[in-house]
Amino acid sequence: QSVLTQPPSVSATPGQKVTISCSGGSSNIGNNFVSWYQQLPGTAPKLLIYDNNKRPSGIPDRFSGSKSGTSATLAITGLQTEDEADYYCGTWDTSLSVLFGGGTKLTVL
Amino acid sequence: EVQLLEAGGGFVQPGGSLRLSCAASGFTYTNFAMGWVRQAPRKGLEWISAISGNGVNTHYADSVRGRFTISRDNSKNTVSLQMHSLRGDDTALYYCARTLIRQLSPTSYYFYMDVWGKGTTVTVSS
Repeated sequence: QSVLTQPPSVSATPGQKVTISCSGGSSNIGNNFVSWYQQLPGTAPKLLIYDNNKRPSGIPDRFSGSKSGTSATLAITGLQTEDEADYYCGTWDTSLSVLFGGGTKLTVL
Repeated sequence: EVQLLEAGGGFVQPGGSLRLSCAASGFTYTNFAMGWVRQAPRKGLEWISAISGNGVNTHYADSVRGRFTISRDNSKNTVSLQMHSLRGDDTALYYCARTLIRQLSPTSYYFYMDVWGKGTTVTVSS
């Protein structure tokens, strides 16, 4: 069981908006920044969002991140079939460790 | 082009040792911390370790502290993970990752990984 809780799966149709939540606590998300990673099937993870809501160069603005209290959210608008992947949130915990959420599988119907 | 290339994975018996390495290219190596993240078969990501750009500061997950040692050679742009006392639950795909570390307070940090290698597979089994 991950300390950071994500829904195991979400689904939506092309063109729609989907959100993925990441719930933690005061020892992690509540007092730190959050990053998000996309892992396409059979590939290495890729950084999507850092510092809660910043996108690295090359990441489309269809991807956005936000944080409120002890939860964070990744939003994907204008969903495309190539967005089908596993998505992970990550942050630091006061247990002196980097944490990842359990991952959310996005299915584009 | 920024690239990370892992090597050293393989099959090892429980209790054995293995050394992973990662060669970096395409960026000023000493400006960045480096780290390792693993993914067990059909499981999520697990952060293992990180080392600062100058190699002075190291960080470990509880699951590997005392068994794994991270090091780097800034003259060769490489980072290594020496693994001892390997167990079945260490079986995973091990990713090398360029790591950004921000210290927020004396005991609080923010880490994120902005470049990842393709990974090298470690299998621990008798």
